[in-house]
Amino acid sequence: AQSVAQPEDQVNVAEGNPLTVKCTYSVSGNPYLFWYVQYPNRGLQFLLKYITGDNLVKGSYGFEAEFNKSQTSFHLKKPSALVSDSALYFCAVKGGGSYIPTFGRGTSLIVHP
Amino acid sequence: DAGVIQSPRHEVTEMGQEVTLRCKPISGHNSLFWYRQTMMRGLELLIYFNNNVPIDDSGMPEDRFSAKMPNASFSTLKIQPSEPRDSAVYFCASSLRGSSDSPLHFGNGTRLTVT
Repeated sequence: AQSVAQPEDQVNVAEGNPLTVKCTYSVSGNPYLFWYVQYPNRGLQFLLKYITGDNLVKGSYGFEAEFNKSQTSFHLKKPSALVSDSALYFCAVKGGGSYIPTFGRGTSLIVHP
Repeated sequence: DAGVIQSPRHEVTEMGQEVTLRCKPISGHNSLFWYRQTMMRGLELLIYFNNNVPIDDSGMPEDRFSAKMPNASFSTLKIQPSEPRDSAVYFCASSLRGSSDSPLHFGNGTRLTVT
């Protein structure tokens, strides 16, 4: 079985400050990890993925994520938050040959001006 | 690339009526997923198709829900009869099944309200 935990329902950060949205996972075998963003009244949009290789993955809109195998984590980060980054963020995992991703419950990111 | 196209964007219907949601996946994608999103339950997988064949329908809530994929470019999700608890946003997503690292591409959803 595979699972994802996003321990924070909401993250608040001031514009210009760094942000982190947390994700931990459980999966058999090597994980394929993804981050998606959802803006109001829109579908989820792919941000970045980790498959193998460098533990720091760079994605769209200046976001990056760090894969940590020992802590089974894949936290999303951005050095300087923008108000326009305010949205719902989902972490997802696939593993063990599964073609069906498991999504976390999502974290609402609010960036204050 | 037009992306995944869903219709209608909004549907309001009365309890007991039949509802049909439609999805056109991205051309060339051979995997298709239907999800339901609510505040209470988050994002729930309803059904997964590969090459037009239903592979996993364990998330379909009950017999009132049915999904079809008659060809590679079209899928429907039908609810009959609809109930107020079916009110949610329904998303369709597609991907390439050839590799597990393929991300999902989501449509903008259908917001269903059953009164």
